[in-house]
Amino acid sequence: AQTVTQSQPEMSVQEAETVTLSCTYDTSESNYYLFWYKQPPSRQMILVIRQEAYKQQNATENRFSVNFQKAAKSFSLKISDSQLGDTAMYFCASTYNAGNMLTFGGGTRLMVKP
Amino acid sequence: SAVISQKPSRDICQRGTSLTIQCQVDSQVTMMFWYRQQPGQSLTLIATANQGSEATYESGFVIDKFPISRPNLTFSTLTVSNMSPEDSSIYLCSVDGGAVLEQFFGPGTRLTVL
Repeated sequence: AQTVTQSQPEMSVQEAETVTLSCTYDTSESNYYLFWYKQPPSRQMILVIRQEAYKQQNATENRFSVNFQKAAKSFSLKISDSQLGDTAMYFCASTYNAGNMLTFGGGTRLMVKP
Repeated sequence: SAVISQKPSRDICQRGTSLTIQCQVDSQVTMMFWYRQQPGQSLTLIATANQGSEATYESGFVIDKFPISRPNLTFSTLTVSNMSPEDSSIYLCSVDGGAVLEQFFGPGTRLTVL
């Protein structure tokens, strides 16, 4: 079984600044996949970034990047140059097999302040 | 990518009644997933639905309460039966992205049970 933990229920950041959201996970699988999803007030789940565990290089997508520490089972999300549109719930998730169910963390509510 | 629609987008129902939620995908997909998101909470998988076979339910969810149909590769329904206020949640369907390492989500159905 997999578990995903997000220790920060809420965070805030000033517009244009950088914020890091934490995520730890536990799995007995040798290969797995990690994701960050964003859920704005519209409820639509949007994939922000993904990481395959066998890849050592940290994934990046424009202003979003991850710090993947496999030994520590840590997968944090860094948002640079925060924008008002980044205000949302952020969920860390994992799956042990592409195409399989996702296990979600509890979520972090991020507020970007003008 | 896959475009997913859900009907209804929201509903208010009386205790003891049932509601069927529809999920339509714009392409053929093998696996569909149904998640529940209770107020202020994360997403919890209810069941996995493959076309042509019985849905597989997660611990804590039973077919009598959440019957699922999967008549073809683009459509699924989830019924919430004999509803109580504790069933008030957002229900989301998602599909496997296949070769694309991503799950795509519908916009969700917000259910309120009085």
